[in-house]
Amino acid sequence: ELKVEQNPLFLSMQEGKNYTIYCNYSTTSDRLYWYRQDPGKSLESLFVLLSNGAVKQEGRLMASLDTKARLSTLHITAAVHDLSATYFCASNTGNQFYFGTGTSLTVIP
Amino acid sequence: NAGVTQTPKFRVLKTGQSMTLLCAQDMNHEYMYWYRQDPGMGLRLIHYSVGEGTTAKGEVPDGYNVSRLKKQNFLLGLESAAPSQTSVYFCASSYPADFTDTQYFGPGTRLTVL
Repeated sequence: ELKVEQNPLFLSMQEGKNYTIYCNYSTTSDRLYWYRQDPGKSLESLFVLLSNGAVKQEGRLMASLDTKARLSTLHITAAVHDLSATYFCASNTGNQFYFGTGTSLTVIP
Repeated sequence: NAGVTQTPKFRVLKTGQSMTLLCAQDMNHEYMYWYRQDPGMGLRLIHYSVGEGTTAKGEVPDGYNVSRLKKQNFLLGLESAAPSQTSVYFCASSYPADFTDTQYFGPGTRLTVL
């Protein structure tokens, strides 16, 4: 069974600041997924990282993958209130996906 | 395209009652999944299907059954509901020929078992 751990679980940050969410996974996998979930809503795909060293950026979010360290990061640059949400990372083995417990991000004006 | 839809959106059951959750997708996706989401535990895979007529167990399959009689539909059944099955249930689908395997999620079903 693949285990996925995220930290921190809760993050409160001021607008304009930078921060990084970390995602560790337990077994060899070449793929890492990041999702966003707004309160009471479904999950929306943010990034799919397919190989070691992959980096993807969209707006103020940038995700990277180090398969040797089994680590992915989601970096937030100059946070704005609209980024407040819960962020999940997930990895897969075979056809099964395993999700982290999520990072609840609150951006404070 | 409607994407992934789920029926019903909300349901309250008494212990021991049965029900079926319906997931439908109009994207011609081969793979479909059922997850449950509980506070502090992320999403956990219940069952999944890699094609019409096939199903397989995920991480937490006990107390649930599934069927995939048509490619576009994936049904999740609770034969005898228990309070521990109170959760939000999400269906997802993906297209394996799309190398990214991105999953597309439905809006969720909030189930309460009393």
